[in-house]
Amino acid sequence: SYELTQPLSVSVALGQTARITCGGNNIGSKNVHWYQQKPGQAPVLVIYRDSNRPSGIPERFSGSNSGNTATLTISRAQAGDEADYYCQVWDSSSWVFGGGTKLTVL
Amino acid sequence: EVQLVQSGAEVKKPGESLKISCKGSGYSFTSYWIGWVRQMPGKGLEWMGIIYPGDSDTRYSPSFQGQVTISADKSISTAYLQWSSLKASDTAMYYCARLGGTIFGVASFDPWGQGTLVTVSS
Repeated sequence: SYELTQPLSVSVALGQTARITCGGNNIGSKNVHWYQQKPGQAPVLVIYRDSNRPSGIPERFSGSNSGNTATLTISRAQAGDEADYYCQVWDSSSWVFGGGTKLTVL
Repeated sequence: EVQLVQSGAEVKKPGESLKISCKGSGYSFTSYWIGWVRQMPGKGLEWMGIIYPGDSDTRYSPSFQGQVTISADKSISTAYLQWSSLKASDTAMYYCARLGGTIFGVASFDPWGQGTLVTVSS
């Protein structure tokens, strides 16, 4: 089965840029979606199809996908961006999530 | 506004049965797939299965096949997740989410329901 690998945690200073990676075999050939989950809340879609932002998601959130790594980039990080972030793809009739990355804003 | 509203928290004993629900509104319920996702305490997201309410076409993750049943009643725009015999290991938060299109390799899950916490304890 297809696996997605994310770092357990990423830290970023307030106002700086955070990058969260999602590794998978030839993931660049797939559509990657990213979800944000704050404590006690349901996940929210923040990036779809590699690099597209749903309405209401700040421009500070962006995504890229190439080769074996997809990346979620959060510019000018704010305290409110602290959350768990999950990448997700579809492969061989299954929806697969990465293990999740906890973003800490220092 | 597209919305999914799930049923309330449940506390059950091992061996009991359970059916939780997810009601869609603000869109054509029969035209979008609804997926179910498990989140065990302190853990990540796991896809369980998905249903197309228009014709009840249902797919299951191999990890959950035979463990749960997914169904839908399109007359009341509601999808269901049910267990016939709960185990303590079924304790988790369960989310439903709408798949934003019919091409699986392209569509994402949006929006999500608020979640239903299921606690199984003797």
